[in-house]
Amino acid sequence: RKEVEQDPGPFNVPEGATVAFNCTYSNSASQSFFWYRQDCRKEPKLLMSVYSSGNEDGRFTAQLNRASQYISLLIRDSKLSDSATYLCVVDNYGQNFVFGPGTRLSVLP
Amino acid sequence: DAGITQSPRHKVTETGTPVTLRCHQTENHRYMYWYRQDPGHGLRLIHYSYGVKDTDKGEVSDGYSVSRSKTEDFLLTLESATSSQTSVYFCAIGGDRSYEQYFGPGTRLTVT
Repeated sequence: RKEVEQDPGPFNVPEGATVAFNCTYSNSASQSFFWYRQDCRKEPKLLMSVYSSGNEDGRFTAQLNRASQYISLLIRDSKLSDSATYLCVVDNYGQNFVFGPGTRLSVLP
Repeated sequence: DAGITQSPRHKVTETGTPVTLRCHQTENHRYMYWYRQDPGHGLRLIHYSYGVKDTDKGEVSDGYSVSRSKTEDFLLTLESATSSQTSVYFCAIGGDRSYEQYFGPGTRLTVT
């Protein structure tokens, strides 16, 4: 079983839709969790950290479920500019980032 | 942007030649990392550094070496490049002030 698993997609959604991604991780001792966004042929950019209590940043909401070992990302009111690959990242014990393979999102006009 | 640059941005080289990639930061972060990204895989850690002259291996370190002689520069060397090292290489900084990491623009390396 891979350490971090994501549905590769693609998720094709119309503008204005709500879309959710899940990510599962295998190491119950994992400490920190993140969502990164990567545009085609560009570097990954931090979208948001994921806290135990959940957190929201504008149209984006991240949740962490430690018991079931998954994190989620919800995007509301999708924009064309949200089209990208979303990477789930787990930090196991500091300085040990493990990346999921990414979920590709295409927002269609 | 996190003040991190990589050079060269693109390189084509032949099998068996040595290659050095450079990562330069202006943010004074203690930690620096080298990753590679290949289709079908997530980013995988090659080596990282936790200070000047302090480095450690990551998940895919075979065939790579690194050096860090000053805070701002972290070098990745392929002693004898192979076609399996064709990849996109990303440098990252961070992890000392918070757990987040910030990435450079990447180097596309092709080994023919």
